[in-house]
Amino acid sequence: KNEVEQSPQNLTAQEGEFITINCSYSVGISALHWLQQHPGGGIVSLFMLSSGKKKHGRLIATINIQEKHSSLHITASHPRDSAVYICAVLYSGGGADGLTFGKGTHLIIQP
Amino acid sequence: DAGITQSPRHKVTETGTPVTLRCHQTENHRYMYWYRQDPGHGLRLIHYSYGVKDTDKGEVSDGYSVSRSKTEDFLLTLESATSSQTSVYFCAIRTRVAGHNEQFFGPGTRLTVL
Repeated sequence: KNEVEQSPQNLTAQEGEFITINCSYSVGISALHWLQQHPGGGIVSLFMLSSGKKKHGRLIATINIQEKHSSLHITASHPRDSAVYICAVLYSGGGADGLTFGKGTHLIIQP
Repeated sequence: DAGITQSPRHKVTETGTPVTLRCHQTENHRYMYWYRQDPGHGLRLIHYSYGVKDTDKGEVSDGYSVSRSKTEDFLLTLESATSSQTSVYFCAIRTRVAGHNEQFFGPGTRLTVL
């Protein structure tokens, strides 16, 4: 079975800290997504990556296709960044199939 | 939000009753998906559709059926609800963004089966 593993599962940090969340997957993919979900809230797409690196504001996402690994970084973290961050992949040859998701990383930023 | 709505947003029902959840989109997307989200499992694909009357099973399809009689609506039916189907259900659409396929999610439906 194709797996998506995220680490850490839970992360508590102080405001201003640099945050890294990791995602690894088992076989070739055509795309990787980073999603954000606030408590009781909907799911928002942050990034879609197939190679390299993307940056949006304080968020940076990188992917290493050879190592089957992606990271999401948050610089100058803020309490409003507190959310669940979810990695999801679309496996190569998946056609119309849906995404395969990691279990999420629960991030709490304390003021 | 890619024009996706879900109804109802919350529902409480009893074991053995049929339940239908609706996903509605206004932008003529071809691909639509139903996922469930449970603690410790993350999101898992139930069924998906690649056009009107074209649907297929996902990872956790047992106990669920779907229908897509028109482009804008994708219905998920629990024919006889069980407590194990208590979950948050998300609908999604797939669209092309900057040459890549990307999915956008509806707001979710919280279903409780007593």
